[in-house]
Amino acid sequence: GDSVTQKQGQVTLSEDDFLFINCTYSTTTYPTLLWYVQYPGQGPQLLLKVTTANNKGISRGFEATYDKGTTSFHLQKASVQESDSAVYFCALVAMTNSAGNKLTFGIGTRVLVRP
Amino acid sequence: GGIITQTPKFLIGQEGQKLTLKCQQNFNHDTMYWYRQDSGKGLRLIYYSITENDLQKGDLSEGYDASREKKSSFSLTVTSAQKNEMAVFLCASRTGGQDTQYFGPGTRLLVL
Repeated sequence: GDSVTQKQGQVTLSEDDFLFINCTYSTTTYPTLLWYVQYPGQGPQLLLKVTTANNKGISRGFEATYDKGTTSFHLQKASVQESDSAVYFCALVAMTNSAGNKLTFGIGTRVLVRP
Repeated sequence: GGIITQTPKFLIGQEGQKLTLKCQQNFNHDTMYWYRQDSGKGLRLIYYSITENDLQKGDLSEGYDASREKKSSFSLTVTSAQKNEMAVFLCASRTGGQDTQYFGPGTRLLVL
């Protein structure tokens, strides 16, 4: 079955630091890869989507890229702010049946940005 | 735009108790999902439903029942709450042909 590995449990940074979170995946289909962000007390919300067609996505200063050769995808931001403190999840979309669209999530990376 | 509402926001139960969590969405989405979120384990799928009265088991369905009474609502029942259980239950919905799932704010469960 599909799987996603997100090894970094927590990352602590200072403002203006560079953020990099990596995920690796395994699937038998063409992947669509998502990044979700979850702020305290809220549900996850979609941050970025990357497909094999575009290989890269950009939103709110974040950039997501995908490397088919290493079956990995990562999220980066050049200069983080305190407001970026949140949990970031990578996820793999698997088309199960007619409309199932299951997401396989990584364990999440808690990013703490100190002022 | 739309919104997903989950009730209650916090749920405290006793061991062995049957507990029901409710989810409403006004996106008019066809597919709805229930996930369980535990610290360090990501989100795990409990049940999903692709249309009214449809139910599909996810990876973590044992110990849970679900009900899709109408298109806009999806309920989850913990059939027998386990002592010391603490987790966040997230409801999500999606429209056909789109990858994005939209999540509610969650129900936080604590079993004493």
